[in-house]
Amino acid sequence: AQSVTQPDIHITVSEGASLELRCNYSYGATPYLFWYVQSPGQGLQLLLKYFSGDTLVQGIKGFEAEFKRSQSSFNLRKPSVHWSDAAEYFCAVGAGNNNDMRFGAGTRLTVKP
Amino acid sequence: GAVVSQHPSWVICKSGTSVKIECRSLDFQATTMFWYRQFPKQSLMLMATSNEGSKATYEQGVEKDKFLINHASLTLSTLTVTSAHPEDSSFYICSARDPRTGGGEQYFGPGTRLTVT
Repeated sequence: AQSVTQPDIHITVSEGASLELRCNYSYGATPYLFWYVQSPGQGLQLLLKYFSGDTLVQGIKGFEAEFKRSQSSFNLRKPSVHWSDAAEYFCAVGAGNNNDMRFGAGTRLTVKP
Repeated sequence: GAVVSQHPSWVICKSGTSVKIECRSLDFQATTMFWYRQFPKQSLMLMATSNEGSKATYEQGVEKDKFLINHASLTLSTLTVTSAHPEDSSFYICSARDPRTGGGEQYFGPGTRLTVT
């Protein structure tokens, strides 16, 4: 079965600074990869996804992620963080027809003024 | 984009009672829906996969007699927490697959916060 590791539990960045959230996955075939964001007490919003093709994926809110098969990684990046980006970020991996999606433990992002 | 709703958004019930949570796909037909549980400051744990017209598939360790799932139509799945206890207090989130999208990504509802007193 597939699994996801998000090594960073909590990250603090200054507003305007760049951001990179790490995600490593384990899956035998080509995975379906996702990044979701969750604000306190809310559901999950999809930021971006990778199924195939271009390994650099653009998402909403200025986020992007790069799929690196050799490193089994799918790191999320943003060049300039805004205070409204403070939230919990989850990386997820789906298998095949995505009937089975597994989530990482999440990374909590704090943005300093 | 696809929209999934949940009702209620929060509920408080007494220990020993049952509570039903509804999950609806508003603008698409979802043959498959998923139920997750999230404890404070933790990740989402898949509880069960709900397939329209058939029995739900439960993850290991999830009590199927306690968490009853019914997927009676292509737009509605319900989760009933039976004989709830304080340890069942949690944030329950449903999601649905939109079969119109090639990758079968899941669209998430806003969640239901259950507090058992």
